[in-house]
Order: sequence, then C-alpha cells, then structure tokens
Amino acid sequence: DTEVTQTPKHLVMGMTNKKSLKCEQHMGHRAMYWYKQKAKKPPELMFVYSYEKLSINESVPSRFSPECPNSSLLNLHLHALQPEDSALYLCASRRTTGDQPQHFGDGTRLSIL
Amino acid sequence: RKEVEQDPGPFNVPEGATVAFNCTYSNSASQSFFWYRQDCRKEPKLLMSVYSSGNEDGRFTAQLNRASQYISLLIRDSKLSDSATYLCVVNPGTYKYIFGTGTRLKVLA
Repeated sequence: DTEVTQTPKHLVMGMTNKKSLKCEQHMGHRAMYWYKQKAKKPPELMFVYSYEKLSINESVPSRFSPECPNSSLLNLHLHALQPEDSALYLCASRRTTGDQPQHFGDGTRLSIL
Repeated sequence: RKEVEQDPGPFNVPEGATVAFNCTYSNSASQSFFWYRQDCRKEPKLLMSVYSSGNEDGRFTAQLNRASQYISLLIRDSKLSDSATYLCVVNPGTYKYIFGTGTRLKVLA
C-alpha cells in the first residue's frame, strides 16, 4: 500500500484535451514532487513544491501546469500535450527536515493520441 | 561525468547467489543516499537509506564510502522476487534528488 495516492491510474487523451492529474498524501510532508518517467529510464524531475510554493521548475514546457492547493494535495494540469509526453507520471513527497527519502505514489500512466 | 553512475546490467544470477551493485556520485557534498527498487511499470519503492556506518536489513546490506564517493548494495541468497531495477539516489542537501540510471537484476531459477 502506498501512502501517496495518485489518480487516475491510467489516462488516454487527445492532443487538444485538457485534463488533470491528482496526488494526495496525509503524512504531513511539506515537500511534494512531480516526475516524468519513460520506459527504461530513471524518473526525471519536473517540479518541486515546498510549503505549498513552487521551488523548482526544471524548465518544463508550459503545457504542464502544476498547482498545490494545500499541504496535502498536488495537481498537474495538462493541456495541448504531444505524443512524446506519453509516460508514467509520478508524484512523491518527503519531510522537509533531516535527510529524508522520498515516498512515491504508484503513478499515472498517460497516453497521448 | 554523470552526477550519479550505475552499471545498467542486466545482472543475471542464479537463485541463492550473492550479488553486489555499486553506484558512484560526483558531488562530494552529497548528504544522503538511498536505494530504491522499481519493478516493471511500477513506482520506485524505498529499499533502504544508506548510513555512513553501513546498514543491514535482512538479506540486504548497504555501504557508503565517502572517501571514494560510492555506495553499494549487497543482496545475499537472491530470490526470484528480487528481480527488479535498483535505483541509486543521492541527495546533495537540497530538495532535488539525483537518480542513477538503475541496475537491472534478473534472478534465474
């Protein structure tokens, strides 16, 4: 069982659609992450929020728009995606104090038609 | 040079074998180190944090060598269920984690 919950598990969308990915954790973690992972590659960092503020944006295209409405929720809004954006999107969280590991959700598998 | 380097494998070992993976990192100021396991089409799962004094969890032993800037993972008595990709992850003391490319392990019956 994962303590970071992501929905939906799978998403198929056209290039003109708008959709959102959701991530929720109730561990009191104040740092939350979005990663993109392609097959046989490690996760690639997209965004980091700390204390509900965007602290890292790894030069992600504007068709991906993150949002952190509160300390438990993280969204990723998608618009006008390209076929190369098809991937596994992972959310993670961690405590902000000490040398803490990240805890991952089980991901959303996204396919762009 | 990549910030975190791992041998991609695959390492094919028989059941019951002992196998070891190494991971090197370039940033000498790195503060925390982790091994994650990732099964095909699943999320990474924390296997163990790596401490300076070395640490063990059942059949798994992790070591850190700060002088040579590498960490290692030893798996004893390999099981079929150990087949996975093992990711070395390094935190340089910021919110950003640096991932190795992963090492694929196949345990053969």
